[in-house]
Amino acid sequence: DTEVTQTPKHLVMGMTNKKSLKCEQHMGHRAMYWYKQKAKKPPELMFVYSYEKLSINESVPSRFSPECPNSSLLNLHLHALQPEDSALYLCASSQDQDRGLTKNIQYFGAGTRLSVL
Amino acid sequence: AQKVTQAQTEISVVEKEDVTLDCVYETRDTTYYLFWYKQPPSGELVFLIRRNSFDEQNEISGRYSWNFQKSTSSFNFTITASQVVDSAVYFCALSPLGDTGRRALTFGSGTRLQVQP
Repeated sequence: DTEVTQTPKHLVMGMTNKKSLKCEQHMGHRAMYWYKQKAKKPPELMFVYSYEKLSINESVPSRFSPECPNSSLLNLHLHALQPEDSALYLCASSQDQDRGLTKNIQYFGAGTRLSVL
Repeated sequence: AQKVTQAQTEISVVEKEDVTLDCVYETRDTTYYLFWYKQPPSGELVFLIRRNSFDEQNEISGRYSWNFQKSTSSFNFTITASQVVDSAVYFCALSPLGDTGRRALTFGSGTRLQVQP
């Protein structure tokens, strides 16, 4: 099973709203990632968590706030977003230790399509 | 710095034709991983293959085959006898080996493949 589940699938929010994106995996992966993907562009890394600690923040604005409450769950809290933040937000996970052939393969969820009005 | 170039923005073929997607990369790392992902219209990035930099064997999986040539920094992907279900955006990606903090994927800009019936 290589399933990463993201909710909601679609989200429309105003610039003054607070919302959260959720990502869940039950593969025992200890590394989790948030990517942002604009239309017709490749995914761009936002954050990396390793063993529930933030290890990479790619200079993301503070209106995006990640949280990793446990090894299976990753949240992205959104506040005071701008219309240009409208995008597909993808979550991914990977094993952090070498366990056979699947190390460092990032498995992605289906994403949350976010529209900021 | 790492860079992945997919020069073909869009390819259109007729069903049953063979098609090759090109990928050229740049990295200063001596060891690294190369990947191909498929992104259908639904949005999910589907893992297709991972190749280690020290393993230059070509690989075939059903109708898919990959040609890795370290001497030319290329990792090309061929679909034999294409089908309509192959229509998607295909991304080539690169990541260094090492701890999680350095395992971010660098994606190419993607190649949109349209297979006409």
